[in-house]
Amino acid sequence: GDSVTQMEGPVTLSEEAFLTINCTYTATGYPSLFWYVQYPGEGLQLLLKATKADDKGSNKGFEATYRKETTSFHLEKGSVQVSDSAVYFCALSGGSQGNLIFGKGTKLSVKP
Amino acid sequence: NAGVTQTPKFRVLKTGQSMTLLCAQDMNHEYMYWYRQDPGMGLRLIHYSVGEGTTAKGEVPDGYNVSRLKKQNFLLGLESAAPSQTSVYFCASRSGSYRQTQYFGPGTRLLVL
Repeated sequence: GDSVTQMEGPVTLSEEAFLTINCTYTATGYPSLFWYVQYPGEGLQLLLKATKADDKGSNKGFEATYRKETTSFHLEKGSVQVSDSAVYFCALSGGSQGNLIFGKGTKLSVKP
Repeated sequence: NAGVTQTPKFRVLKTGQSMTLLCAQDMNHEYMYWYRQDPGMGLRLIHYSVGEGTTAKGEVPDGYNVSRLKKQNFLLGLESAAPSQTSVYFCASRSGSYRQTQYFGPGTRLLVL
């Protein structure tokens, strides 16, 4: 079945460092890909998405490109801030149920 | 718009007790989902609904029941709570195709003793 694998955390970075969180997927058909972010004590918020191959999603300085040839959707940010500290989830949508299939999440801590 | 709301925010149950979690959305979305979040496991689908009056099982449906009597509400019931159901429960909704964004509620934290 469909699945998502993302890098294990936690990830600790200093402010203004470069961030990459790897995400790869296995899916039949043509899934849409998402990054969601969960701040402490809150629900999940959509960070960005891409609906077809070679699409780039971007938001708040974060970017991810839908790479069909490598089945990847890596999240990047050029300069992280303390306020980016959160758990990041990679997910795909495309099954018959239309639900999201999530990776296990990556906790990011950014130190001043 | 309030988006997706969930009640209660937090609940403690004893083993064997029952309860209902309520999810409400004001976006006129057809699709609604219940997920549970456990440490190190991401979110897993419990049940879902593709429209008023319809429900279906997801990945981990055992021990839960759902109802969608009104389009805006999706109820998750635990008939006899077990410690294994200690988790954070999230409701989500979306419209249209699977390419559309799912919007999540703030979650319900449930502790079963």
